[in-house]
Amino acid sequence: DAGITQSPRHKVTETGTPVTLRCHQTENHRYMYWYRQDPGHGLRLIHYSYGVKDTDKGEVSDGYSVSRSKTEDFLLTLESATSSQTSVYFCAIGSHLNSPLHFGNGTRLTVT
Amino acid sequence: QKEVEQNSGPLSVPEGAIASLNCTYSDRGSQSFFWYRQYSGKSPELIMFIYSNGDKEDGRFTAQLNKASQYVSLLIRDSQPSDSATYLCAVNIMETSYDKVIFGPGTSLSVIP
Repeated sequence: DAGITQSPRHKVTETGTPVTLRCHQTENHRYMYWYRQDPGHGLRLIHYSYGVKDTDKGEVSDGYSVSRSKTEDFLLTLESATSSQTSVYFCAIGSHLNSPLHFGNGTRLTVT
Repeated sequence: QKEVEQNSGPLSVPEGAIASLNCTYSDRGSQSFFWYRQYSGKSPELIMFIYSNGDKEDGRFTAQLNKASQYVSLLIRDSQPSDSATYLCAVNIMETSYDKVIFGPGTSLSVIP
């Protein structure tokens, strides 16, 4: 399996609090992605990165920010969590343009 | 907004039959097409990828791509109960200088013993 670790695996937080999810890879892949998965919507792209300090928005980026200060780490931050952000979050990595993605095990986030 | 669509299912097939999963996409510039399988509560795992028009076979799986029709499909021959899962179609799109991968909503497949 590709070396991708997401942390935490589960988190419960209250509305209005900041939350940071971490994705760590040991594959030295250039591309990293954050997706959320909700029933009826499949996987939706939040943000992605094509290199250190190079990031761009996806389909559902409102309320989220990201940072990538090192090749191996891609952080997703919810500045002020809302109940609509309750979801399963997946990180994925890709070695080059058009390459298949490999996914982490996901983080289940509940905002109460 | 560029989209990927799939028949939502659920799709039920008897064990040993051929399961056919379909996907259409809106971006004519897309070059890479992927099929992922996702078991309940697990992360997606890659089954097939295809870049050129035509068929690509890997064991019991065949991916078919028709760029003119903007259509990609996945056939599963000799379906097994262990194939019961949600199948996600994914496509790369280029909106800036870098591509990104977007997914369809998935098709739930149930293989009945």
